[in-house]
Amino acid sequence: QVQLVESGGGVVQPGRSLRLSCAASGFSFSNYGMHWARQAPGKGLEWVAVISFDGNKKYYADSVKGRFTISRDNSMNTLYLQMDSLRGEDTAMYFCASSAVEFLTGSYLGYWGQGALVTVSS
Amino acid sequence: DIQMTQSPSTLSASVGDRVTITCRASQSIDNWLAWYQQKPGKAPKVLIYKAATLESGVPSRFSGSGSGPEFTLTISSLQPDDFATYYCQQYDSSPYTFGQGTKLEIK
Repeated sequence: QVQLVESGGGVVQPGRSLRLSCAASGFSFSNYGMHWARQAPGKGLEWVAVISFDGNKKYYADSVKGRFTISRDNSMNTLYLQMDSLRGEDTAMYFCASSAVEFLTGSYLGYWGQGALVTVSS
Repeated sequence: DIQMTQSPSTLSASVGDRVTITCRASQSIDNWLAWYQQKPGKAPKVLIYKAATLESGVPSRFSGSGSGPEFTLTISSLQPDDFATYYCQQYDSSPYTFGQGTKLEIK
């Protein structure tokens, strides 16, 4: 069955960096666009970034543009989110999710991981 | 960027009730709209995509309708398992914004 497992979360000081990983299994990872979304404690969902199936297209929310970088390694079935210059407002549960439609970057989110918690605090 | 406005923010209802949640897009998104259900401590789960298509395995009491700019999610007869938070999301153009959510509570 499809599994998406996030890792790399933790507590980090403001201004520092953190890299999240999302290990995928149970589907043809290299055929699907992949997304990151986040949810601050007690708040709603916020879409963060997407990368196309081949890694050639990347789009970001305005709130993270220039600070976060999405990437993927199709040989390792792994998605990444490099988060630099972290701020308190980046504190959230970060979910990776797959596009629901093969080869489409702009798609609804089909499968989701269980999330990795990132806390930005001094 | 496209803004998605959901209403109401909170909805109190009883088992067996018919409920409707509304989502309005700030500009045209054709029918590129999805609805998700999220329970506390869990990842969201897709219910409806392309505004009105039921995801496989989702009970038929859930339905979606509408076209830009206003969309609705209807639950025809609430079941105990349906008390959760619901989100709409547009996937017409990046950033693929979510609505702010509707918490469905037991009356």
